[in-house]
Amino acid sequence: LAKTTQPISMDSYEGQEVNITCSHNNIATNDYITWYQQFPSQGPRFIIQGYKTKVTNEVASLFIPADRKSSTLSLPRVSLSDTAVYYCLVGDMSGGSYIPTFGRGTSLIVHP
Amino acid sequence: GAGVSQSPRYKVTKRGQDVALRCDPISGHVSLYWYRQALGQGPEFLTYFNYEAQQDKSGLPNDRFSAERPEGSISTLTIQRTEQRDSAMYRCASSPHSGTSGAYEQYFGPGTRLTVT
Repeated sequence: LAKTTQPISMDSYEGQEVNITCSHNNIATNDYITWYQQFPSQGPRFIIQGYKTKVTNEVASLFIPADRKSSTLSLPRVSLSDTAVYYCLVGDMSGGSYIPTFGRGTSLIVHP
Repeated sequence: GAGVSQSPRYKVTKRGQDVALRCDPISGHVSLYWYRQALGQGPEFLTYFNYEAQQDKSGLPNDRFSAERPEGSISTLTIQRTEQRDSAMYRCASSPHSGTSGAYEQYFGPGTRLTVT
């Protein structure tokens, strides 16, 4: 099973870089790694997705080592509005097919 | 452009009644997913479609739950003979990728809060 493991919570301060690491030791060969952000009372919001090496967009960077057993979401210069729960998502085998499986996520609190 | 919409946003129903939850995905998206989310937990997979074909329904809790996407666009999740334990936030998401691609770039709707009394 491609279970994901993330820290339950993290604290940071405005202006700092935040790195959240997710382990997925049994990731399937064709699976991408996808990260989401969720604010209270809203649905998860897609942040970034990658297969290997490094991916960067206007919001974040995603670092994936060669063995793909983990990934790190990097948020540059966080602000108070980045306080949210962050999920990494990979597939998990169920009933003979892979289905997207969210863990409990990492609750990030950004302090002034 | 328009995102994923869900209706109703809130539904209160009495135990034993049937409910239908609707999801209107982003136009042109290939796959559509249904999740249930409890407070403090990540979304829990229920079922998904590629176009109109239901590809996996392994997450549906029991046979009172069913879903359809007859024309490959709008989807309905139906719960028959509702029970109090069905109370939850139900979320829908659509994706430009096939659900068998391994790429889970999904766009979520606001959810339907179901309360069974």
